[in-house]
Amino acid sequence: LAKTTQPISMDSYEGQEVNITCSHNNIATNDYITWYQQFPSQGPRFIIQGYKTKVTNEVASLFIPADRKSSTLSLPRVSLSDTAVYYCLVARVSSGSARQLTFGSGTQLTVLP
Amino acid sequence: SAVISQKPSRDICQRGTSLTIQCQVDSQVTMMFWYRQQPGQSLTLIATANQGSEATYESGFVIDKFPISRPNLTFSTLTVSNMSPEDSSIYLCSAETSEKTQYFGPGTRLLVL
Repeated sequence: LAKTTQPISMDSYEGQEVNITCSHNNIATNDYITWYQQFPSQGPRFIIQGYKTKVTNEVASLFIPADRKSSTLSLPRVSLSDTAVYYCLVARVSSGSARQLTFGSGTQLTVLP
Repeated sequence: SAVISQKPSRDICQRGTSLTIQCQVDSQVTMMFWYRQQPGQSLTLIATANQGSEATYESGFVIDKFPISRPNLTFSTLTVSNMSPEDSSIYLCSAETSEKTQYFGPGTRLLVL
């Protein structure tokens, strides 16, 4: 299983760009990376998913270097409502349809006014 | 994407009893999963709910304690059996789309007295 490491917490100010990095040193060839946002008393909400290089959608970008041993979630111009816990997930497709799923410990992002 | 609902949203139960949590997906999916999340902690995978066959349990979780049903491609249940206060937690189900993206339900908050 890929072991994932994230910073415990980060602070930012409104309007700034925030980058959260997840380390997954023993990621395997078929593993893919997903990031989630979670507010208190809610289930995780999908943000973005990628396999390699860069992926961008309407809310975030995901940067994955060539060795894929880390990934960085980039949130442009954060607002107070982006205060949440952010998780990376490394998912491995095993034989057949089995999955090995490793969630990071989560990064508490606090956006300050 | 997939929209997932769970019932009940919360419950308070007496030790020694059992609770069945239902998970409904708005579209047919191949993979469904059940997680547990302790307050302030990351998600721990309990099992993969397989349609037409027995669930696949992660280390530390057993079928007698957490029986799972998956009667079709849109529905699954998780039962927490013979509950003790240590089972107090948030239980989350998720479903994986054809893009290999997991979407989560809102969670079931369980308190065992």
